[in-house]
Amino acid sequence: GQSLEQPSEVTAVEGAIVQINCTYQTSGFYGLSWYQQHDGGAPTFLSYNALDGLEETGRFSSFLSRSDSYGYLLLQELQMKDSASYFCAVRDNRDKIIFGKGTRLHILP
Amino acid sequence: EAGVAQSPRYKIIEKRQSVAFWCNPISGHATLYWYQQILGQGPKLLIQFQNNGVVDDSQLPKDRFSAERLKGVDSTLKIQPAKLEDSAVYLCASSLAGRYSYEQYFGPGTRLTVT
Repeated sequence: GQSLEQPSEVTAVEGAIVQINCTYQTSGFYGLSWYQQHDGGAPTFLSYNALDGLEETGRFSSFLSRSDSYGYLLLQELQMKDSASYFCAVRDNRDKIIFGKGTRLHILP
Repeated sequence: EAGVAQSPRYKIIEKRQSVAFWCNPISGHATLYWYQQILGQGPKLLIQFQNNGVVDDSQLPKDRFSAERLKGVDSTLKIQPAKLEDSAVYLCASSLAGRYSYEQYFGPGTRLTVT
């Protein structure tokens, strides 16, 4: 079967750094994506990792370890607008995307 | 560039009624997806089209749900008859060819309430 595990909720302080972890178990794996979704909004694409290592895009970075079936999204210099749900999503060898259940990020002032 | 368009944005129906949702993907995107998102959960893929052919509909409840993508552009998703558990947000997304499925562009969704 295929499964993705990520924490249901994470709380952090404005200006701080937070890491959202994702572990996956899939029959085939091509890469790991991250999406952000604000309440009432649509998911928006943040990043994609196909190879091991860290990808940086502004305040957001994403990491992948294929050998550990693990990845994380790192958000730096947190802003109140970063309060949202974050989903990891696996792309399998049939180009199908499976989404995790999401991590709700709460940011305290 | 215009984004993914969906209509209606909201729909309230009674159980056993039928409903249809429409989606217009980003121009040039060959792959179109319909997702169901229940509150507090991640999007669940219902059906994936590549041009006007079905790539994956393994999670589509085919006894009540149907979808089509005529001419490889717009798509409609229909539910008939609706059940209470169908209350959810229905998201349409599109991407370039299947190997770019990791970067999908989502429409605003249709929030369906079945009473």
